[in-house]
Amino acid sequence: QITLKESGPTLVKPTQTLTLTCTFSGFSLSTSGVGVGWIRLPPGKALEWLAYIYGNDDRRYSPSLKSRLSISKDTSKNQVVLTMTNMDPVDTATYYCAHSIFSGGWHFDYWGQGTPVTVSS
Amino acid sequence: DIQLTQSPSFLSASVGDRVTITCRASQAISNFLAWYQQKPGKAPTLLIYAASTLQSGVPSRFSGSGSGTEFTLTISSLQPEDFATYYCQQLKSDPLFTFGPGTKVDI
Repeated sequence: QITLKESGPTLVKPTQTLTLTCTFSGFSLSTSGVGVGWIRLPPGKALEWLAYIYGNDDRRYSPSLKSRLSISKDTSKNQVVLTMTNMDPVDTATYYCAHSIFSGGWHFDYWGQGTPVTVSS
Repeated sequence: DIQLTQSPSFLSASVGDRVTITCRASQAISNFLAWYQQKPGKAPTLLIYAASTLQSGVPSRFSGSGSGTEFTLTISSLQPEDFATYYCQQLKSDPLFTFGPGTKVDI
């Protein structure tokens, strides 16, 4: 059974760096054909994809946020970490991590419950 | 970059209605498209992948079709639990994983 769970601070100040951890079980991120992504949902807005890491350690970032994002994995701990620098109130959102395998595309078939992040001084 | 549009952005419907949501891509993406449902306060759930393949466990009243630049999600008979926001996602070209702006289905 695949499960994912996000963890991290619920409140960060503007200009600070956000670090979120996705702890997963039921699969290994050391094999090709598997990946984990980060997606966020700002209040009243649409889903926004942020970053993705493949089992072979290849990484992809949203072009609009690429300069602020970093994604990494620790296969021994079954974790994926997302860092976002220079946080701003517009980054207030619920942040999700999600699992994907290649099956007609790298769609996200399992999601974490999400973790809310508020950016405020 | 590939852009996705969805229409309508908001849809008012009743239980039992047949509902169709359209997703259009700015470039051809073959069948590399997925559909998700999201309810308030909950994580999104995968409904359809590869444009028309029903995810395991998803009711058969949901169906997807299309290829290239135009895709549709159809709910054959709307149920009370289907009132939610629906997103399409393209998985063909960088930036991969782009989501559409969403369609809210409400009473």
